Amino acid sequence: DGGITQSPKYLFRKEGQNVTLSCEQNLNHDAMYWYRQDPGQGLRLIYYSQIVNDFQKGDIAEGYSVSREKKESFPLTVTSAQKNPTAFYLCATQQGPQTYEQYFGPGTRLTVT
Amino acid sequence: AQSVTQPDIHITVSEGASLELRCNYSYGATPYLFWYVQSPGQGLQLLLKYFSGDTLVQGIKGFEAEFKRSQSSFNLRKPSVHWSDAAEYFCAVGAQDSNYQLIWGAGTKLIIKP
Repeated sequence: DGGITQSPKYLFRKEGQNVTLSCEQNLNHDAMYWYRQDPGQGLRLIYYSQIVNDFQKGDIAEGYSVSREKKESFPLTVTSAQKNPTAFYLCATQQGPQTYEQYFGPGTRLTVT
Repeated sequence: AQSVTQPDIHITVSEGASLELRCNYSYGATPYLFWYVQSPGQGLQLLLKYFSGDTLVQGIKGFEAEFKRSQSSFNLRKPSVHWSDAAEYFCAVGAQDSNYQLIWGAGTKLIIKP
């Protein structure tokens, strides 16, 4: 069954701790994206990767880090440097760089207190 | 730079009534256009897309959208809404000089009155 898996669905952390959000896909898509969603603000791009072992910063990369060691996986680490990390995080894939259509995972809601 | 505007933050429609959600974009050439839907606490699902050809495109769940180049618009329509259509709707534009990424509108939240 093809798809995008994000785990966990809900994540709770204390302020000052780093936390890693998982995103796995078995669609064999080349590109993967991380978005942050806050109420009333739409989707904001954090990082994206168009090929294994390469990634680029999006509009709001500060306080986040990623890796792309395998085609299937694109984990996002929210570091303690992120000033306001509580949000809904969405992972998406794109078949190739010129296809545009993105497919989304179910999201992870991170709450930091 | 490309941009996408969804002028309505919220829209309230009675069940069974028709719906039109507005989307305007800013881009010099013909863009690739998308509408996505998001139920609360869920990921986004593609409703429909326009790349070229017929400017009226049909999507899933009974939705359609019309590309109007002269107005730089790609409005989403549905002739009769159901309570299950209550969700947030996002318009997005893809353009080659945006490094093949999607530029997103801020979203329109659809509320259905019984």
